[in-house]
Amino acid sequence: EDQVTQSPEALRLQEGESSSLNCSYTVSGLRGLFWYRQDPGKGPEFLFTLYSAGEEKEKERLKATLTKKESFLHITAPKPEDSATYLCAVQGTYSGAGSYQLTFGKGTKLSVIP
Amino acid sequence: EPEVTQTPSHQVTQMGQEVILRCVPISNHLYFYWYRQILGQKVEFLVSFYNNEISEKSEIFDDQFSVERPDGSNFTLKIRSTKLEDSAMYFCASIVGPGLGLADTQYFGPGTRLTVL
Repeated sequence: EDQVTQSPEALRLQEGESSSLNCSYTVSGLRGLFWYRQDPGKGPEFLFTLYSAGEEKEKERLKATLTKKESFLHITAPKPEDSATYLCAVQGTYSGAGSYQLTFGKGTKLSVIP
Repeated sequence: EPEVTQTPSHQVTQMGQEVILRCVPISNHLYFYWYRQILGQKVEFLVSFYNNEISEKSEIFDDQFSVERPDGSNFTLKIRSTKLEDSAMYFCASIVGPGLGLADTQYFGPGTRLTVL
């Protein structure tokens, strides 16, 4: 069974204070690891997909990295508009037709204080 | 930019009533999904749908749930007899289809908030 654990559950940062969010995972065979942003009452908004250990992707103030056991979402000089819950999800390898569903972690709620 | 749409945004129903949640996936996508998120909890997989049939379902997706693609654009989730514990956000998602050994990105709709009284 695929499992995803995110830490911390909540994080408060001052505007401009850089930090990292952690996502630890266990999966039978990793097809992809996904990061999403979720605002209150909204659907997950896609940020990044990582496929193999050592891979990195960047978008504005966000950078995602991947190892064989965990992924980090680094936030550089955050702004108040970066406040949201950040979700990590994995997609495992399936035989046959498969279904490619995602297994999510509980998320990290980020608050950036002006 | 193409997006997944869902209706209604909020549905209030009485326990025991049937509800139908509707989704319009991105037009060239082939795999469709329903997930739910109970308030304060993680997003959970319910069911996946490909080639007009269910490809996988979770333990949550019992006989009270069904899915259908009634036409070329809509994808629906029906709950036959709602329970209090069905109150949650329900998200529809879709992907183009798996690439050669690579995962395709799932794009999510804005969700339907279901409240069962």
